[in-house]
Amino acid sequence: GQQVMQIPQYQHVQEGEDFTTYCNSSTTLSNIQWYKQRPGGHPVFLIQLVKSGEVKKQKRLTFQFGEAKKNSSLHITATQTTDVGTYFCAGRVTGGGNKLTFGTGTQLKVEL
Amino acid sequence: DGGITQSPKYLFRKEGQNVTLSCEQNLNHDAMYWYRQDPGQGLRLIYYSQIVNDFQKGDIAEGYSVSREKKESFPLTVTSAQKNPTAFYLCASRRESNYGYTFGSGTRLTVV
Repeated sequence: GQQVMQIPQYQHVQEGEDFTTYCNSSTTLSNIQWYKQRPGGHPVFLIQLVKSGEVKKQKRLTFQFGEAKKNSSLHITATQTTDVGTYFCAGRVTGGGNKLTFGTGTQLKVEL
Repeated sequence: DGGITQSPKYLFRKEGQNVTLSCEQNLNHDAMYWYRQDPGQGLRLIYYSQIVNDFQKGDIAEGYSVSREKKESFPLTVTSAQKNPTAFYLCASRRESNYGYTFGSGTRLTVV
């Protein structure tokens, strides 16, 4: 079945450092979504990318969708303690109906 | 305010018992989903429903059952056939196919 892998699994950074998580799918995706889950909380939708090579920004967060629509990345510039949490990508397989397959997640810890 | 309500927040079950987790939404969303999250892992799809009186199995449906008699409600029953039910259960809904999911705050189920 379809698999969506994320790397790294964990990342510790000092406040102010940058952070990137990468998402790779074994199959082509019709779109990709990103979610953030704070410790003890539930996933919250951040953004959706649809077009090949698409880049979107939300303040310090930059999201990219690969040209082949099989990979994506989330980059955070100058991390803050409020960025702590687990970041998940979730992809919809082309022709696969309305199911989202979630990635394995990257847990980010930010130290002062 | 619109949203998804899951109850209870914590649930303890004895081995051999069935339990039902509640999920109610007042967002007027057509599609609803149940995911399971194990510690340090991603979300795995149990069941989903795109319309009232219809639902489909996800990737890990064995030992679970659902119903969708009303648009607002999508309860999940964890049966005694589920071998390892201790987990965090998340319910989600979605307005249309190209929108992000809205998650409930989850139910933590522990088998004692």
